[in-house]
Amino acid sequence: SQKIEQNSEALNIQEGKTATLTCNYTNYSPAYLQWYRQDPGRGPVFLLLIRENEKEKRKERLKVTFDTTLKQSLFHITASQPADSATYLCARDTGRRALTFGSGTRLQVQP
Amino acid sequence: EAGVAQSPRYKIIEKRQSVAFWCNPISGHATLYWYQQILGQGPKLLIQFQNNGVVDDSQLPKDRFSAERLKGVDSTLKIQPAKLEDSAVYLCASSATVSASTDTQYFGPGTRLTVL
Repeated sequence: SQKIEQNSEALNIQEGKTATLTCNYTNYSPAYLQWYRQDPGRGPVFLLLIRENEKEKRKERLKVTFDTTLKQSLFHITASQPADSATYLCARDTGRRALTFGSGTRLQVQP
Repeated sequence: EAGVAQSPRYKIIEKRQSVAFWCNPISGHATLYWYQQILGQGPKLLIQFQNNGVVDDSQLPKDRFSAERLKGVDSTLKIQPAKLEDSAVYLCASSATVSASTDTQYFGPGTRLTVL
């Protein structure tokens, strides 16, 4: 089965620093990966999609990379703010028009 | 544009009881998903509808879970009878077209189910 692995340990960083979250996948390379943000008591919110033929994608302070050799995606938040504190989920396509989500990494940005 | 609506937001039941959740997707969205999210885990797809037809229900425990999407709009998810391990947040999501590959999925707030 296609698995998505994210670091289950919370990531604590200081405001203004760059947060880097890791997403590793197994088996065949997905056609794309998606990143979502989830706040407590709310549903996930879509942030970025990156295709396997794209090395990097940016949106404002967010940057995602996709390395098919390492089978890994990195999610960066530059100039992090306390408001960025949330759980970030990585998801891959299953080849069957559905998504498989990782367990998420909780980010805590300290003021 | 109104988002995905779900009700109820919270439900507490005894094991072996029945429960139903309701979802109203974003207007015009063709694809509707039900996910189960256990505490500390990511969402797990239970069932995916395209209009009112089932596309994928491979992870739906069909001996106790059922879902329908009448007229290709609203959807209900039912659990009968509930087990302790069904305690989770049930998320509904919708996407505009028939391909989940690149479509953005819009999630509702979820229903938190506690089975005692």
